[in-house]
Amino acid sequence: AQSVAQPEDQVNVAEGNPLTVKCTYSVSGNPYLFWYVQYPNRGLQFLLKYITGDNLVKGSYGFEAEFNKSQTSFHLKKPSALVSDSALYFCAVRHYSGAGSYQLTFGKGTKLSVIP
Amino acid sequence: SAVISQKPSRDICQRGTSLTIQCQVDSQVTMMFWYRQQPGQSLTLIATANQGSEATYESGFVIDKFPISRPNLTFSTLTVSNMSPEDSSIYLCSVARDGAYGYTFGSGTRLTVV
Repeated sequence: AQSVAQPEDQVNVAEGNPLTVKCTYSVSGNPYLFWYVQYPNRGLQFLLKYITGDNLVKGSYGFEAEFNKSQTSFHLKKPSALVSDSALYFCAVRHYSGAGSYQLTFGKGTKLSVIP
Repeated sequence: SAVISQKPSRDICQRGTSLTIQCQVDSQVTMMFWYRQQPGQSLTLIATANQGSEATYESGFVIDKFPISRPNLTFSTLTVSNMSPEDSSIYLCSVARDGAYGYTFGSGTRLTVV
């Protein structure tokens, strides 16, 4: 069965420092991986996705993620954190659910706090 | 990517009543999904709604409690029936685009049952 693990409930980082939000996954076949961000009282916003190709994926707002097949990881990174990056981050994996349909399974989320 | 309009954005409801949440997409999509996000929790898929067929419910969710309509390729509704305080959550709709590689989410409906 597919699963996504985000081992940290919360990550604190000083403004201007690099940030990493961790994600590991388990899925049959080739992984299609996603990162979403949720600001307070808002829906989910797409950040980036890995389907195939380069292991380093660049996304919105200066975020990037590194796909590591051997470690089954897809960590989210940003070279220099902003206070406005403070939000809830979700990692997700797409998997086949039958009858020609695919769906996402989400990690539990990681709350990122960027300290001024 | 698709633009989704989800209504209402929030509501406070009495226990025992029902609330219908609407999701309107600006273009035709095959697959629509309904999720629940309980306070402090991740997203849990309630059901997948494909136009022209019955919705497919995930384990732990039943049609009598969460009836779904999908009358066309741009619209869907989720009803939360006979509500109890345990139904207090954020409910989100989502659509799959780009060959199901990309997913877009509505802004969510924050439901409080009192």
